[in-house]
Amino acid sequence: GAVVSQHPSRVICKSGTSVKIECRSLDFQATTMFWYRQFPKQSLMLMATSNEGSKATYEQGVEKDKFLINHASLTLSTLTVTSAHPEDSSFYICSAPSPRVGTEAFFGQGTRLTVV
Amino acid sequence: AQSVTQLDSQVPVFEEAPVELRCNYSSSVSVYLFWYVQYPNQGLQLLLKYLSGSTLVKGINGFEAEFNKSQTSFHLRKPSVHISDTAEYFCAVSEGNRDDKIIFGKGTRLHILP
Repeated sequence: GAVVSQHPSRVICKSGTSVKIECRSLDFQATTMFWYRQFPKQSLMLMATSNEGSKATYEQGVEKDKFLINHASLTLSTLTVTSAHPEDSSFYICSAPSPRVGTEAFFGQGTRLTVV
Repeated sequence: AQSVTQLDSQVPVFEEAPVELRCNYSSSVSVYLFWYVQYPNQGLQLLLKYLSGSTLVKGINGFEAEFNKSQTSFHLRKPSVHISDTAEYFCAVSEGNRDDKIIFGKGTRLHILP
């Protein structure tokens, strides 16, 4: 069945560096993908909608210059956390709508980012 | 815009007892409704979903939920819980458009007491 693969699953980086997270749709094309962030013991908050071939749509309060989203192909969206700080440490998860109308979206496995 | 309310942040229940996790939603259009489970330090797993049809939906691990349009609710139930059900449970909604985003509730932590 359709699957979304997210990589890496865990990453530790130094403060001030940038980290790229990949989200791939396997066996199907996704013109839209969604990026969520989950802080410890909290819910998943939608950060942005990634649109293939056009600019991402960011939710209110999300810094677009800090969280760069690129959706260069129909199967790949990337989220780059630029100049990461410890407060960016979180669980990031992507999703893609199902290729079949009337079925649920697919979620990646998530990426746990720790900024030290 | 749609929203989801999970009134209970934590629900303690004894093992083998029944449980109900409450979820209410708000939307101006028809919706898809979901319950996801997240075990500690893991990703999301879909428990069940309501897309259309029968309002009583059965999911994995013995869970079921009932869509009640008049009360805008989608409560999750299990007749007998097990210690392995300890997890965070998220109710979620999307507006039924294939490309629409999914909005999550704040989550309910199910704490199983021995």
